[in-house]
Amino acid sequence: EPEVTQTPSHQVTQMGQEVILRCVPISNHLYFYWYRQILGQKVEFLVSFYNNEISEKSEIFDDQFSVERPDGSNFTLKIRSTKLEDSAMYFCASSGGLARTDTQYFGPGTRLTVL
Amino acid sequence: GIQVEQSPPDLILQEGANSTLRCNFSDSVNNLQWFHQNPWGQLINLFYIPSGTKQNGRLSATTVATERYSLLYISSSQTTDSGVYFCAVPTSGTYKYIFGTGTRLKVLA
Repeated sequence: EPEVTQTPSHQVTQMGQEVILRCVPISNHLYFYWYRQILGQKVEFLVSFYNNEISEKSEIFDDQFSVERPDGSNFTLKIRSTKLEDSAMYFCASSGGLARTDTQYFGPGTRLTVL
Repeated sequence: GIQVEQSPPDLILQEGANSTLRCNFSDSVNNLQWFHQNPWGQLINLFYIPSGTKQNGRLSATTVATERYSLLYISSSQTTDSGVYFCAVPTSGTYKYIFGTGTRLKVLA
């Protein structure tokens, strides 16, 4: 069964550094998402992406964050000047077709630790 | 915005027992997913169930959209069922999922 993959599985960085989290969505999917989960809390939506542009973003997704689909397969989340509170599990998801309510398939996550 | 609540927050079972997890949501939805977050933090999609009942092995789910709730049934629980179970629904007119607070399940051998 096709799956969403994410790299790296764990990233440790120093406060103030930039990180790029990478995702390979399911190949025929059209919608892409990033969510995050701070340890012990629920999963929160960050951003959705369709047709090479952001379709929606949450209040968490400020100028520190950016997303990009640099080629036909990868979908990246860049966090500039990381802060301690950015430490979390970051999940990429994708969904296919034209229906907004399609199943979202989640990747295994990248655990980001900011020291 | 839509509120999603899950109950119970914590559940401890002996291996072999059955359980029912509940997800209530405050507004009408046209999609709902159940996820299992395993001890390694991975989110595993269990069901896409906007309405009706689905079964997959020992797991089944029922969504009654008109009454704004969904149930996840786990039968003959195993230690590998341990983890956190989340339901998630899209907010009206958007692509984003709102996740519930989760039910933390521990199955004892």
